[in-house]
Amino acid sequence: DVKVTQSSRYLVKRTGEKVFLECVQDMDHENMFWYRQDPGLGLRLIYFSYDVKMKEKGDIPEGYSVSREKKERFSLILESASTNQTSMYLCASSPPSLQSTNEKLFFGSGTQLSVL
Amino acid sequence: AQSVTQPDIHITVSEGASLELRCNYSYGATPYLFWYVQSPGQGLQLLLKYFSGDTLVQGIKGFEAEFKRSQSSFNLRKPSVHWSDAAEYFCAVGPPWGSARQLTFGSGTQLTVLP
Repeated sequence: DVKVTQSSRYLVKRTGEKVFLECVQDMDHENMFWYRQDPGLGLRLIYFSYDVKMKEKGDIPEGYSVSREKKERFSLILESASTNQTSMYLCASSPPSLQSTNEKLFFGSGTQLSVL
Repeated sequence: AQSVTQPDIHITVSEGASLELRCNYSYGATPYLFWYVQSPGQGLQLLLKYFSGDTLVQGIKGFEAEFKRSQSSFNLRKPSVHWSDAAEYFCAVGPPWGSARQLTFGSGTQLTVLP
């Protein structure tokens, strides 16, 4: 069974802490994504990576950075956590294109981050 | 710029009743369209998607969706809802060349199912 695994289901951090969210996929996908999910706002793309060490900013990259040193692993970093970064964070992976019938985004189960 | 609107924040239906969740999109050409479902504590799972061809798309769990170009809509339907369908549903729109990077999600519709 294909999987996208996020290392933590729940995290509680303090303002100013450096936070690492880890994501691992076992499908050899080129693309990996970090989304933020907030009530009433749906999913918003934070960062996207299309290859090892390659990344692109998404729609809301401010306050975040990412790292992709290996194809299967994509990390989201909050350099100095703030209360407005309290949210659900979803990792996803996909092949380069979604055009064929069976291609889609595969999602992890999410990390609920609370910043106090 | 592309966008997607899910007008209903929350819908409540009785078990066994029919369901229709609305999705309207804005895009200059024929986009590709998705419906995802998120059960409590879970990530998003693809229900179905539309690229081209038949405008009525069949998905998993008995769901279907109809692409209506004239109305810029891609509504999700199910003839008889089960209690296990209670979840949040997301519509998404993307460009016809299939770029996952350019996928835009709606704000979601929360479905409650009454016994």
